[in-house]
Amino acid sequence: EAGVAQSPRYKIIEKRQSVAFWCNPISGHATLYWYQQILGQGPKLLIQFQNNGVVDDSQLPKDRFSAERLKGVDSTLKIQPAKLEDSAVYLCASSWGGGTGADQPQHFGDGTRLSIL
Amino acid sequence: GENVEQHPSTLSVQEGDSAVIKCTYSDSASNYFPWYKQELGKGPQLIIDIRSNVGEKKDQRIAVTLNKTAKHFSLHITETQPEDSAVYFCAAPPWEGNKLTFGGGTRVLVKP
Repeated sequence: EAGVAQSPRYKIIEKRQSVAFWCNPISGHATLYWYQQILGQGPKLLIQFQNNGVVDDSQLPKDRFSAERLKGVDSTLKIQPAKLEDSAVYLCASSWGGGTGADQPQHFGDGTRLSIL
Repeated sequence: GENVEQHPSTLSVQEGDSAVIKCTYSDSASNYFPWYKQELGKGPQLIIDIRSNVGEKKDQRIAVTLNKTAKHFSLHITETQPEDSAVYFCAAPPWEGNKLTFGGGTRVLVKP
């Protein structure tokens, strides 16, 4: 089966600019996650969708970050305006969505590496 | 929320030797413990997971053990090979809520 697809792979912008990332999960996976991974750290969950509804966005900086999941399939994550501390890899993951959610294997894409100048 | 600590942060082993990485967690009701391998420029890849109703699980050269009383779980890699060199992450979910909390990662270097 095809894995989680993300684009772009790399993005360089200046602070205060805006940027958007795209994710296409594994076909049939109801749950989609966006993580932020700062260099040298483990991934940190930003937002979790179940189909097209938000399950958890408690760690999403809502003053600058937004995300949507169109028709319960693809998702976009946007940052506006970007800050220097947003430099990180943004990972998308998906799982089939049964059970409580967290106890289902999550499959990750290769991420978008964002550099803020 | 859940707190997951992972040790060591770096681990260097000779090819053929074993490697062990340990994680502790704080939420005694956690019931699912995955391990991920992340190679340079790639996303984390699930390599093994264990649920709270078993104490050990093996998959070829990889095994995970779980001690619920002590709230820790460990990854064991036997007969290490150069391709095992990567960063390994453990994770655990809180009983309430759906998100995984990841450990800080262990950079494993297998020297030929």
